[in-house]
Amino acid sequence: GEDVEQSLFLSVREGDSSVINCTYTDSSSTYLYWYKQEPGAGLQLLTYIFSNMDMKQDQRLTVLLNKKDKHLSLRIADTQTGDSAIYFCAVSNNNDMRFGAGTRLTVKP
Amino acid sequence: GAVVSQHPSWVICKSGTSVKIECRSLDFQATTMFWYRQFPKQSLMLMATSNEGSKATYEQGVEKDKFLINHASLTLSTLTVTSAHPEDSSFYICSARDRTTNTGELFFGEGSRLTVL
Repeated sequence: GEDVEQSLFLSVREGDSSVINCTYTDSSSTYLYWYKQEPGAGLQLLTYIFSNMDMKQDQRLTVLLNKKDKHLSLRIADTQTGDSAIYFCAVSNNNDMRFGAGTRLTVKP
Repeated sequence: GAVVSQHPSWVICKSGTSVKIECRSLDFQATTMFWYRQFPKQSLMLMATSNEGSKATYEQGVEKDKFLINHASLTLSTLTVTSAHPEDSSFYICSARDRTTNTGELFFGEGSRLTVL
């Protein structure tokens, strides 16, 4: 099976950048995702990256992938209070998808 | 984007009763759907993989007789929690993969919160 690990908590001030890190164990992972979950809601796909890429940028979001170290990160620029949520890292090998425990991002005004 | 609808969003039932949760892909066909369970303040745990027209594949530790999964069509999978007990109270989320794309992207439903009294 796949092990996916994330730090549980991150607190930043509004306007700062947030960086959420994720490590995984299965080197055959082909797709890597970041999902956002707001309280009481389902999952919202933020962005994803193929394993043959090392970076993807989408507006305020930047995903970095270090395939050698099996490390994935999500950077949120100019973090806003509306970004407060739980962020899940997920990896897939075409068969199923495994999630990290989620990082609770708190944005302080 | 693709939409996955879950129904009901909230359900409260008495202990011993059975509850059915539906997962529908509204604008695409899904040969594979996944069911996850999420306990409060915890991550998503994959329960089973549902394949259209065949038996579901359950993860280790998930009782297949307790959590019945049926994937009768390319747009519908159902999860039935049989003889529910308070410890089955949880947030259940389904996801589906569009059979026509090769991105591997999964589309998630909004989740169904089950409370067993």
